[in-house]
Amino acid sequence: DIVMTQGALPNPVPSGESASITCQSSKSLLHSNGKTYLNWYLQRPGQSPQLLIYWMSTRASGVSDRFSGSGSGTDFTLKISSVEAEDVGVYYCQQFLEYPRTFGGGTKLELK
Amino acid sequence: EVQLVESGGSLVQPGGSLKLSCVASGFTFSNYWMDWVRQTPGKSLEWIGEINTDGSKTNYAPSIKDRFTISRDNAKSTLYLQMSNVKSDDTAIYYCTRRPYWGQGVMVTVSS
Repeated sequence: DIVMTQGALPNPVPSGESASITCQSSKSLLHSNGKTYLNWYLQRPGQSPQLLIYWMSTRASGVSDRFSGSGSGTDFTLKISSVEAEDVGVYYCQQFLEYPRTFGGGTKLELK
Repeated sequence: EVQLVESGGSLVQPGGSLKLSCVASGFTFSNYWMDWVRQTPGKSLEWIGEINTDGSKTNYAPSIKDRFTISRDNAKSTLYLQMSNVKSDDTAIYYCTRRPYWGQGVMVTVSS
């Protein structure tokens, strides 16, 4: 299985500051078609996960442009510019290159 | 509006069986692959498996293969998860998903 490893945030993050969440995969998620098979989700307290980013850097419909995804084949970053109260929750990366689809352990964002 | 509504969660004894349902609305159910994902208490997300549009193909996570079965009834716009020989590790919130949409989840507790 592809193992997804997420980094921690230096919580709490001051409101208005930027935050970067890292994710590393045990195998390259870059396909020969040029696409990188990585999703980012946010799970707000008491809610179901919400898709933020797919194909490593494409924002899902309705997602604020304060969220951006980047990376290489195995190292990825979700950047949140100007953190707001609604950004609080747990962020997950997920690979969908191979079966079984696997998630990272989650990164909690708290607001100062 | 896309809606996914899970039901069927309950307390079940180890070794027992349970069938979860997910009723979909707001889109043409028969056109989409569907997934089940679970979230154990205080822990990360785990992909369980998926089913193709006509129900002829499924893929499962190794942790539940041969114990869980995913099926669908396109006439009823309903997705199912048949759980058998359940273990305490199967205690989790179970989500029905159709990218990028998630249901609200249903709780399954395995305990004697």
